[in-house]
Amino acid sequence: GENVEQHPSTLSVQEGDSAVIKCTYSDSASNYFPWYKQELGKGPQLIIDIRSNVGEKKDQRIAVTLNKTAKHFSLHITETQPEDSAVYFCAAGGSYKLIFGSGTRLLVRP
Amino acid sequence: EAQVTQNPRYLITVTGKKLTVTCSQNMNHEYMSWYRQDPGLGLRQIYYSMNVEVTDKGDVPEGYKVSRKEKRNFPLILESPSPNQTSLYFCASSLSNRVNTGELFFGEGSRLTVL
Repeated sequence: GENVEQHPSTLSVQEGDSAVIKCTYSDSASNYFPWYKQELGKGPQLIIDIRSNVGEKKDQRIAVTLNKTAKHFSLHITETQPEDSAVYFCAAGGSYKLIFGSGTRLLVRP
Repeated sequence: EAQVTQNPRYLITVTGKKLTVTCSQNMNHEYMSWYRQDPGLGLRQIYYSMNVEVTDKGDVPEGYKVSRKEKRNFPLILESPSPNQTSLYFCASSLSNRVNTGELFFGEGSRLTVL
């Protein structure tokens, strides 16, 4: 069935360093790739998304890249700050369904 | 304030005792969905609804029921809960009935324990 693999499951970085989270999807019909951030005790919240007709998108310290040929996409966070510590989920999907990855717990050490 | 509201936020129950987790959104959203979150498995979709009276199964629908009689409400029903339904549940909604056109707004979650 459709699947989204996400790596790593945990990531610890020093404040100011960059963090990269990678996802691979199986359904070649997927055309929408959002990233969600989940803070402790809260529901996930959209931080950035990309569509299949775009290879890269940036929003301040956050960027996402998409390689449709290889069926993988990545989240890049630069100049990490302690408030970036959270669980991050990638997702891939089409019109009515999103398949989520298993999540990455990011810890930014002050 | 625009929000997705789930109730209860925490519940401990026993095997076989029917329960309902309510979900309500005040944003006039077309699309609503239920997910369960388990360690190492991410978010898995249980059921979704594209509009009133239109529902469909997600990836893990067994043991759950839903209904969408009104646009704002999308309750999740566990007719006979079992311990493997112990999980953190999230309701989400989106303005369009196509999830690839906009943001999914999530509730704060309902932690369910079935003994």
